[in-house]
Amino acid sequence: AQRVTQPEKLLSVFKGAPVELKCNYSYSGSPELFWYVQYSRQRLQLLLRHISRESIKGFTADLNKGETSFHLKKPFAQEEDSAMYYCALSSSMDTGRRALTFGSGTRLQVQP
Amino acid sequence: EPEVTQTPSHQVTQMGQEVILRCVPISNHLYFYWYRQILGQKVEFLVSFYNNEISEKSEIFDDQFSVERPDGSNFTLKIRSTKLEDSAMYFCASSPGPMDTEAFFGQGTRLTVV
Repeated sequence: AQRVTQPEKLLSVFKGAPVELKCNYSYSGSPELFWYVQYSRQRLQLLLRHISRESIKGFTADLNKGETSFHLKKPFAQEEDSAMYYCALSSSMDTGRRALTFGSGTRLQVQP
Repeated sequence: EPEVTQTPSHQVTQMGQEVILRCVPISNHLYFYWYRQILGQKVEFLVSFYNNEISEKSEIFDDQFSVERPDGSNFTLKIRSTKLEDSAMYFCASSPGPMDTEAFFGQGTRLTVV
């Protein structure tokens, strides 16, 4: 069975501070990993995924298969980064199955 | 920018009643999904739909649930006889095609069963 763990429910930082949102996963094959973000009163939207290796809004995430992690990082937090962040996993690369398994989410609060 | 649209935004229903949640996926997308999030819990996968049939479903998606694409634009989730524990936010999503797994989510329908 696959599982995604986000250990922090809330992460509060000051503007300009570095941010790391943790995500660990449990899956025996080759996972496809995503970060979704939900700003206040808005829909879930894709922030980034490991296969594209992009940096979006200054955020990056590297898949570490040894540590089974996909932590989300940003060197300097902005107030507009305040949102709920969800890590998600798909087994599509192995199985073709497209269902996403989500973590419980971390609320990032960036204080001025 | 095209979006997934869900109606209604909030639905209140009595226990035992049937409810239909509606979604209009992005028009050229081929895969459709329903997820739900019970208050305070994780977003959970319910079902995916491709080529006019269910392609995957979770253990949650039992005989009480069904999905349909009644025409070229709508995608519906029906709960036959609602229970209190069906109260949740239900999200519809769609994705473009076989090579692109990015899911685009709707804004959700909050279902309250009383």
